[in-house]
Amino acid sequence: QVQLQQSGPGLVKPSQTLSLTCAISGDSVSSISGAWNWIRQSPSRGLEWLGRTYYRSRWYNDYAASVKGRMTINPDTSKNQFSLQLRSVTPEDTAVYYCARDHYSSVWYRNDYWGQGTLVTVSS
Amino acid sequence: DIVLTQTPLSLSVTPGQPASISCKSSQSLVDSDGKTHLYWYLQKPGQTPHLLIYAVSNRFSGVPDRFSGSGSGTDFTLKISRVEAEDVGVYYCLQGIQLPTFGGGTKVEI
Repeated sequence: QVQLQQSGPGLVKPSQTLSLTCAISGDSVSSISGAWNWIRQSPSRGLEWLGRTYYRSRWYNDYAASVKGRMTINPDTSKNQFSLQLRSVTPEDTAVYYCARDHYSSVWYRNDYWGQGTLVTVSS
Repeated sequence: DIVLTQTPLSLSVTPGQPASISCKSSQSLVDSDGKTHLYWYLQKPGQTPHLLIYAVSNRFSGVPDRFSGSGSGTDFTLKISRVEAEDVGVYYCLQGIQLPTFGGGTKVEI
């Protein structure tokens, strides 16, 4: 059974960096049939896919245009986890952040497992 | 970016009655292999979203058969044959043919 466990602070000051981690059990961050996503949800923006990391002989990252240049996703194979860093945050980055897994087995199962969600508030 | 437009925004249903949600895409979701990258999720009140339907019409593990998905190209539909009280929540579609985007959601209430 795949489980994703999120950790990280719930309060970040404006202009600082939001950092979250998603620890994986029951699968591997290096799986060649997987991809690992960050998604957020706010009343104003709804569900918003932010980015993903995946391994296909080398590591790849994709980012949504809305956060590209401010966001980095890093896999950590030694701890079987991946992390999100979002720089220069503003109150508009206040949201519940989720990690989620994509899995390929003849077809793509997008976001078939989710972390528990972390409410991150950007406020001084 | 591909835009997904869901209708209606909200739906009030009587238990035992059917319900239908539409998701229209600004571009075709069919890839060069003929596979269609459209997914449906349900977020129950106070919970994390969970996958209901993958590849347009395939129910994910444990999803009751009263849920069905259909459609092609740019027009897709999620149907609940007989709504139960536990089906309340917000339903979202997602496209995965390009960088993923979600629809705006449809709130289903009894």
